[in-house]
Amino acid sequence: TQLLEQSPQFLSIQEGENLTVYCNSSSVFSSLQWYRQEPGEGPVLLVTVVTGGEVKKLKRLTFQFGDARKDSSLHITAAQPGDTGLYLCAGAGVGGTASKLTFGTGTRLQVTL
Amino acid sequence: DADVTQTPRNRITKTGKRIMLECSQTKGHDRMYWYRQDPGLGLRLIYYSFDVKDINKGEISDGYSVSRQAQAKFSLSLESAIPNQTALYFCATSGLYTGELFFGEGSRLTVL
Repeated sequence: TQLLEQSPQFLSIQEGENLTVYCNSSSVFSSLQWYRQEPGEGPVLLVTVVTGGEVKKLKRLTFQFGDARKDSSLHITAAQPGDTGLYLCAGAGVGGTASKLTFGTGTRLQVTL
Repeated sequence: DADVTQTPRNRITKTGKRIMLECSQTKGHDRMYWYRQDPGLGLRLIYYSFDVKDINKGEISDGYSVSRQAQAKFSLSLESAIPNQTALYFCATSGLYTGELFFGEGSRLTVL
């Protein structure tokens, strides 16, 4: 079974601060997705990274896939209260279909004024 | 209206009862999934279906069964609920060519 460990588990910061969330595994993934889940809702896809070393930006969010495709990071610049939520990484194994997605343990982020 | 709809949203039941969670989608996707979410464990796959005649076990299928009644409908059953099945359950769909999952809003189940 492929495992994805996320760190930190919880993060409480003030508006305007920067933060980084990590997603690590000993397994290689063909691609990696990041989702954000708000209370009372299902997760929503933020980004998919496919190539080792790939960097993608989504406004103030920067996603990086490790060179060996075993890890990923999410960096948020100048966090805002609207960034509050549960962040989940999910790795796709060989074949890359959603049936083989392994979800990380999650990072719960709270951004206060 | 949501593209992926789950009913009920909340359910409290007793040990030994049979429970069905229903999912319907308007995205036109062939692929549907049931996940379970527990704090600190992320999302774990229970069952998935790639079309109406296809049913596959996921990581944690024991104690659960599913039925794919139509392309748009996928239900999850707990034949005899037990307390450690207390969790938040999500239905999801995906298209054929992308790995993006579209989730419902979740069904919170409590087994006493």
